[in-house]
Amino acid sequence: EAQVTQNPRYLITVTGKKLTVTCSQNMNHEYMSWYRQDPGLGLRQIYYSMNVEVTDKGDVPEGYKVSRKEKRNFPLILESPSPNQTSLYFCASSSGSGNQPQHFGDGTRLSIL
Amino acid sequence: GQNIDQPTEMTATEGAIVQINCTYQTSGFNGLFWYQQHAGEAPTFLSYNVLDGLEEKGRFSSFLSRSKGYSYLLLKELQMKDSASYLCAVRLGGSYIPTFGRGTSLIVHP
Repeated sequence: EAQVTQNPRYLITVTGKKLTVTCSQNMNHEYMSWYRQDPGLGLRQIYYSMNVEVTDKGDVPEGYKVSRKEKRNFPLILESPSPNQTSLYFCASSSGSGNQPQHFGDGTRLSIL
Repeated sequence: GQNIDQPTEMTATEGAIVQINCTYQTSGFNGLFWYQQHAGEAPTFLSYNVLDGLEEKGRFSSFLSRSKGYSYLLLKELQMKDSASYLCAVRLGGSYIPTFGRGTSLIVHP
């Protein structure tokens, strides 16, 4: 089954404790993205990647890092999480074809205390 | 962002028709997507428009006017399960990854 898998689905942690949210896709997609979703603000792009070893900042990259060492994986790293990073996070992937939509993971709800 | 505007919230009656509008900056336009998102769930793809006109898919249709920077999603024969957020996403320039509007929360009542 074609899917985007995020882990963990839920996490409560404390300020300053490094964490990683994993994202894996099995569709051989070139493009992968991370979004955060906050009430009233919609989906905002954090980082994206157009292929292995190619990443770029989205609209709200501060406080986040990513890597793309393999095509299928695109982890999101919070080196020193802060309460303002409490949010619902989505990973998405897509092929390079023009009319192909993004496929989203089920989301990760992070709470930073 | 790229100034993608949608109404924040709409309400409609079961069985009725509702139109959700989306406007965007036209410079570099390269495709528009509509997604549906139920609360706490992932967005799911509804439609894609890159040329002017209407695309119909069952109860859902999407329209695009590139010159006006305008799209709408039309939902017919509304059902209670259509209560959700509807996200307009626009692809600009050479990027294959679209930018999302803030979404429209649709409430369908009996």
